[in-house]
Amino acid sequence: AQSVAQPEDQVNVAEGNPLTVKCTYSVSGNPYLFWYVQYPNRGLQFLLKYITGDNLVKGSYGFEAEFNKSQTSFHLKKPSALVSDSALYFCAVTSLSGGYNKLIFGAGTRLAVHP
Amino acid sequence: NAGVTQTPKFRILKIGQSMTLQCAQDMNHNYMYWYRQDPGMGLKLIYYSVGAGITDKGEVPNGYNVSRSTTEDFPLRLELAAPSQTSVYFCATLDGGGNYGYTFGSGTRLTVV
Repeated sequence: AQSVAQPEDQVNVAEGNPLTVKCTYSVSGNPYLFWYVQYPNRGLQFLLKYITGDNLVKGSYGFEAEFNKSQTSFHLKKPSALVSDSALYFCAVTSLSGGYNKLIFGAGTRLAVHP
Repeated sequence: NAGVTQTPKFRILKIGQSMTLQCAQDMNHNYMYWYRQDPGMGLKLIYYSVGAGITDKGEVPNGYNVSRSTTEDFPLRLELAAPSQTSVYFCATLDGGGNYGYTFGSGTRLTVV
């Protein structure tokens, strides 16, 4: 079965510092990986995805993520955090072996960026 | 281009009542999904459909039913509402063309009292 783990419920970082939000996954076959962000009382906004190709994926708002097959990880990063980055972040995975492109989500990590 | 439209945006139900959450898409996507998100939690897959007339259960299907009579619409039915179904419900679509571009609706916030 497919699964996603986000080991940190919350990440705290000072504005201007680099940030990392961790994600590990478990699938049979090749994974397709996603990051979404959710602001309070809002829907999901797509940040970036890894389907194939370069392991470093660049996305919206200066975020990037690195696919590491050996560690089954897809950590989200940003070189310099903004207070406006404070939100709930979700990692998600699907694969062809999982069937019907079902997207499985992690429990989410709350990012708090302090001025 | 409206994308994925969910109605209603908010609803309060009494225990035992029934309702249908509507999801409509105008992108001609084959795949459609219903998720629920409990407060502070991730999204759990309730049901999904790979095309008109084809539906299947996800991770948390109990208490829900779906139908897919057309490509455009994928309604989610709650027959006997329970407090445990208090959640935010998201509908999503995927075109299946290989670029994995999921599109999410804005959600329906449901409270069962």
